[in-house]
Amino acid sequence: AQSVTQLDSQVPVFEEAPVELRCNYSSSVSVYLFWYVQYPNQGLQLLLKYLSGSTLVKGINGFEAEFNKSQTSFHLRKPSVHISDTAEYFCAVIRLTGGGNKLTFGTGTQLKVEL
Amino acid sequence: ETGVTQTPRHLVMGMTNKKSLKCEQHLGHNAMYWYKQSAKKPLELMFVYNFKEQTENNSVPSRFSPECPNSSHLFLHLHTLQPEDSALYLCASSQGAGAADTQYFGPGTRLTVL
Repeated sequence: AQSVTQLDSQVPVFEEAPVELRCNYSSSVSVYLFWYVQYPNQGLQLLLKYLSGSTLVKGINGFEAEFNKSQTSFHLRKPSVHISDTAEYFCAVIRLTGGGNKLTFGTGTQLKVEL
Repeated sequence: ETGVTQTPRHLVMGMTNKKSLKCEQHLGHNAMYWYKQSAKKPLELMFVYNFKEQTENNSVPSRFSPECPNSSHLFLHLHTLQPEDSALYLCASSQGAGAADTQYFGPGTRLTVL
């Protein structure tokens, strides 16, 4: 079985401040890792994904994430947030053995950027 | 983003009604998905279709009936639903059905069952 844990349900942050959204996963086999963003009244949009290679992955809108295999983490970071980053962020994994293309999601983190 | 469209965007139905959700993708993809997003719960995969064939049914109750007439269209037929079925239903598509194939999501249909 696999699971994805996003410990922070809400993260308030001031504009231009850095932010880190945490994601931990558990899996007995290797996984691919994803971060999606959902703006109000919209579907999910892929921010970035880790498949292999460099553990630091850069995505859209200035976001990046680092895969840490020993800590089974894939935290999302942005050095300076903007009001427009206010949204819900979802971490997800796909198991490479027997998982097909089945995404398993965390419960999401609501990022609220304030002036 | 208009790659994956869903209609209607909002739907209110009684428990005895029959309704259908429609999804259309304009990306030339071969795989399509239905997900359920309930408040405070992770997104749940419901069904997967690849080249019009159902490849995954994630133990979904039979009151939800999917249909995939071609690779561009996906329907979710609803009948005798329960109030706990109220949720945002998201459709997604991907080029292939492999783990590395990025899934692109539509805006969802907000369903309320009275």
